[in-house]
Amino acid sequence: AQSVTQLGSHVSVSEGALVLLRCNYSSSVPPYLFWYVQYPNQGLQLLLKYTTGATLVEGINGFEAEFKKSETSFHLTKPSAHMSDAAEYFCAVSDRGAGTALIFGKGTTLSVSS
Amino acid sequence: EPEVTQTPSHQVTQMGQEVILRCVPISNHLYFYWYRQILGQKVEFLVSFYNNEISEKSEIFDDQFSVERPDGSNFTLKIRSTKLEDSAMYFCASNRQGANTGELFFGEGSRLTVL
Repeated sequence: AQSVTQLGSHVSVSEGALVLLRCNYSSSVPPYLFWYVQYPNQGLQLLLKYTTGATLVEGINGFEAEFKKSETSFHLTKPSAHMSDAAEYFCAVSDRGAGTALIFGKGTTLSVSS
Repeated sequence: EPEVTQTPSHQVTQMGQEVILRCVPISNHLYFYWYRQILGQKVEFLVSFYNNEISEKSEIFDDQFSVERPDGSNFTLKIRSTKLEDSAMYFCASNRQGANTGELFFGEGSRLTVL
């Protein structure tokens, strides 16, 4: 069965600092991996996804994530945090072999201080 | 830009009452989903729907839940007899190809409070 673990329910950074949100997955087959962001009072919005090909994936708003099969990780990073990055971030996995459901992690709340 | 819309944004109901949450997916999408998020917990998959039938459902989606696409635009989630533990944010999502190949587009959610 697939699962997603997001380490740290809350991450706080200063504006301009590096953002690192951690995600580890378990899956019986090579998965599709996603990061979604949820701004206050809004729905979930796709930041980026890994399906095949290059393991370093660029997303919107300067975010990127790297698929590391050996570590079963898909950590999200951004070199320089902006106040507008404050939101809830969800890592999700889908079993490319079967089914259509996305399995989400518990989410990480990112706070950015000036 | 097309978007998924959900109504109501917030509903308060008494335990045991029936609730219908409505969603209008993006018009050319073929796959439809309901997820829920209990406060402070993860986003959980409930059900997926394709070609006018359920294609997958989780263990959460028991006999108290049902989904329907009554016309060409709406996709509804019905909870037959609400329980306190049904209080959550319910998200509708849609896409063209299925979640394991394409991006899911989510609505803003419907918050259900059961008293």
